[in-house]
Amino acid sequence: DAGITQSPRYKITETGRQVTLMCHQTWSHSYMFWYRQDLGHGLRLIYYSAAADITDKGEVPDGYVVSRSKTENFPLTLESATRSQTSVYFCASSTSRGNTEAFFGQGTRLTVV
Amino acid sequence: AQSVTQLDSQVPVFEEAPVELRCNYSSSVSVYLFWYVQYPNQGLQLLLKYLSGSTLVKGINGFEAEFNKSQTSFHLRKPSVHISDTAEYFCAVSFAPYNQGGKLIFGQGTELSVKP
Repeated sequence: DAGITQSPRYKITETGRQVTLMCHQTWSHSYMFWYRQDLGHGLRLIYYSAAADITDKGEVPDGYVVSRSKTENFPLTLESATRSQTSVYFCASSTSRGNTEAFFGQGTRLTVV
Repeated sequence: AQSVTQLDSQVPVFEEAPVELRCNYSSSVSVYLFWYVQYPNQGLQLLLKYLSGSTLVKGINGFEAEFNKSQTSFHLRKPSVHISDTAEYFCAVSFAPYNQGGKLIFGQGTELSVKP
């Protein structure tokens, strides 16, 4: 299917465990983004990537790791999950042009217990 | 610092009434402006965007927004809302020099609740 897909949609994990959230897009967009959504904060940028093997920190990168070996995939890893990382995570992609919108996945609801 | 503020966290309104969702941003450089809508358990969908030109922008589902540079605002309006407009609405801004694709700063969101 064309578009941007995230997996899993829902995840419960324990404090201290490593968890990876997956993001796949079929448009060959050069830019990809990870945001987290928390009540009262809107969406905040965690990491973004301009192309394969090029990543950069966003507003709230601590505790997260990203990689981008292929243009279409942009996984987000929580190396040692904490309760404060309980959130809804959204992946997005866009072209390189600044006047374009970002296209969002359906989100992953992560609960850290 | 660049920031986006949505002035109302919740807006309750009756069906067929008009609604305005307010958004202000802080920036010393030029901006592109967006409104997104999020229905329950879904991702974000673009409603409309302002890039340049006419300050009144029309979007999907009968929504429109007006860019006011002097007041650094981008308020969203609809003359008559429907139950189906119940959702969370996000104002988002892209700042010059626009060399980072669709990288956005979001407001905190406004929950629109349309009642019969």
